[in-house]
Amino acid sequence: KQEVTQIPAALSVPEGENLVLNCSFTDSAIYNLQWFRQDPGKGLTSLLLIQSSQREQTSGRLNASLDKSSGRSTLYIAASQPGDSATYLCAVRLTTGNQFYFGTGTSLTVIP
Amino acid sequence: NAGVTQTPKFQVLKTGQSMTLQCAQDMNHNSMYWYRQDPGMGLRLIYYSASEGTTDKGEVPNGYNVSRLNKREFSLRLESAAPSQTSVYFCASSEYLGGSYEQYFGPGTRLTVT
Repeated sequence: KQEVTQIPAALSVPEGENLVLNCSFTDSAIYNLQWFRQDPGKGLTSLLLIQSSQREQTSGRLNASLDKSSGRSTLYIAASQPGDSATYLCAVRLTTGNQFYFGTGTSLTVIP
Repeated sequence: NAGVTQTPKFQVLKTGQSMTLQCAQDMNHNSMYWYRQDPGMGLRLIYYSASEGTTDKGEVPNGYNVSRLNKREFSLRLESAAPSQTSVYFCASSEYLGGSYEQYFGPGTRLTVT
């Protein structure tokens, strides 16, 4: 069974700092990895999707990398802002089966 | 496009009552999913439907039933609600496009069972 781990569970940083969120997974036979953002009391919003053949994807201040062989992905947030405060989750889709496997998320607080 | 919609947004049930959570997507996706989210537990898969006419159990199916009514709609039924089913329920859909599967989520249903 695929295990997805996100460390740390919570992170607090001052505004303007660059930061990295981590996601690790045990089974490297994946189609893709997806990063989500979840605001309190809301649903999940897709941020970035990386296919297994890709090394990274960028969207604005966000950059996600994927190292499939080591079972790791990172989400880099540049010049953090208070509006970035949310929980960030990663999910992987294996090449077998129809399920997605989620980490438990990292709760980010950006202090003004 | 509305994406993935869920009704109701909030619901309070008494123990033993039944209810159906509705989900619909307008993206013509084949796969649909029901998750529950509890503090400290992350998202756990209840049931999924890989295509119209098929359903499969996920990690925590006990106490739930599902119906894939057509390609657009996937409902989740609680036959006899229990306090342990107090949770936030999310519906999601997915399709294989351009070499990957991207998942889209609804806004969630917050259910309290007293």
